[in-house]
Amino acid sequence: DVKVTQSSRYLVKRTGEKVFLECVQDMDHENMFWYRQDPGLGLRLIYFSYDVKMKEKGDIPEGYSVSREKKERFSLILESASTNQTSMYLCASQQGVETQYFGPGTRLLVL
Amino acid sequence: DQQVKQNSPSLSVQEGRISILNCDYTNSMFDYFLWYKKYPAEGPTFLISISSIKDKNEDGRFTVFLNKSAKHLSLHIVPSQPGDSAVYFCAAALKGSNYKLTFGKGTLLTVNP
Repeated sequence: DVKVTQSSRYLVKRTGEKVFLECVQDMDHENMFWYRQDPGLGLRLIYFSYDVKMKEKGDIPEGYSVSREKKERFSLILESASTNQTSMYLCASQQGVETQYFGPGTRLLVL
Repeated sequence: DQQVKQNSPSLSVQEGRISILNCDYTNSMFDYFLWYKKYPAEGPTFLISISSIKDKNEDGRFTVFLNKSAKHLSLHIVPSQPGDSAVYFCAAALKGSNYKLTFGKGTLLTVNP
């Protein structure tokens, strides 16, 4: 079974803090994704990566950056957290075909 | 512009009856469609998918129907069970886009005992 893990289930940060969200997958997948889920808005793609050190912007990249130094790890960085970044963050991995496998999510609260 | 639409935010059905969740899309270049199920405080889990070359795919209690001319797909759950209560997301993939998925906003299904 594919396993996608996220470093934290719940996080509370202050406005202006730099926040790191880590995602690790154990299936040697090429593609990895970061989404945020908000009520009434569904899943929105922030960034994705289809190879080590490669990244592409998704639909809502503003205020975020990513890092993929190793194939199994994809990090999402909030350079200066703001209250409108309070959300559920979901990481996913995928190998070639269309099914994406999701981690359990990180619920981030920015105060 | 929302390319994948789930127009019903919620749906309530009785246990044992059929649940029908609907999804519309606008981009005729989508060639693969998926349904994901999400419980609160968990990540979405893959449920069932269908390629654009088919019009039906069945897996146990779950069947997905695709009507390309109407740009519409639906997920049927028969019989519905209380454990099916969750948010269901429809997603579509463009061939050649690294299979990046575009998700709908989700439909909350509640199955009442």
